[in-house]
Amino acid sequence: DTGVSQDPRHKITKRGQNVTFRCDPISEHNRLYWYRQTLGQGPEFLTYFQNEAQLEKSRLLSDRFSAERPKGSFSTLEIQRTEQGDSAMYLCASSPPGQGAGTQYFGPGTRLTVL
Amino acid sequence: GENVEQHPSTLSVQEGDSAVIKCTYSDSASNYFPWYKQELGKRPQLIIDIRSNVGEKKDQRIAVTLNKTAKHFSLHITETQPEDSAVYFCAALSYNTDKLIFGTGTRLQVFP
Repeated sequence: DTGVSQDPRHKITKRGQNVTFRCDPISEHNRLYWYRQTLGQGPEFLTYFQNEAQLEKSRLLSDRFSAERPKGSFSTLEIQRTEQGDSAMYLCASSPPGQGAGTQYFGPGTRLTVL
Repeated sequence: GENVEQHPSTLSVQEGDSAVIKCTYSDSASNYFPWYKQELGKRPQLIIDIRSNVGEKKDQRIAVTLNKTAKHFSLHITETQPEDSAVYFCAALSYNTDKLIFGTGTRLQVFP
């Protein structure tokens, strides 16, 4: 499968625990995005990278959230001290160079449940 | 701030009929407008997009129209089929930023 992949697909954790998600973009895509989607809503932008540089962060991304893309390939999203309100689907998307940031291809998502 | 409104929230049609979903955006700097289809439990999939230098784009049974003056764009699906049933999201991207702002989605049900 040459699409965007995410791991794990599902994560159940207890409130207060830390969790980390991984996203592998489509090969040679230089832009990588993280979104959060709750039931019945559209994806909400969290942050994005161009290569290894994190260029924008939403105010939705509190100081408990951190994202990295150290080598400009895969990315991780960590949530510290999880809260029940963090329960959502976390989607990753990537975009190739030259086509503009809009042409984004999504991964299958990681569904987080915080008990 | 940036906002995208989408209507209707649900839409039921008979197989073979047409379906139209409408979106409006607030950021006049928006220049790219994709539409995504999301089936239950699956990833959003890009089905068609349009850039601000074009007024209409068509791909088989799907078409999108854009009115920059009124800041709205629409998705048109003709000859609907049961497999078109899904949630459809519109989105807008501003040339000032690199983030997509999504609408709240339209649940389309096509009855055989």
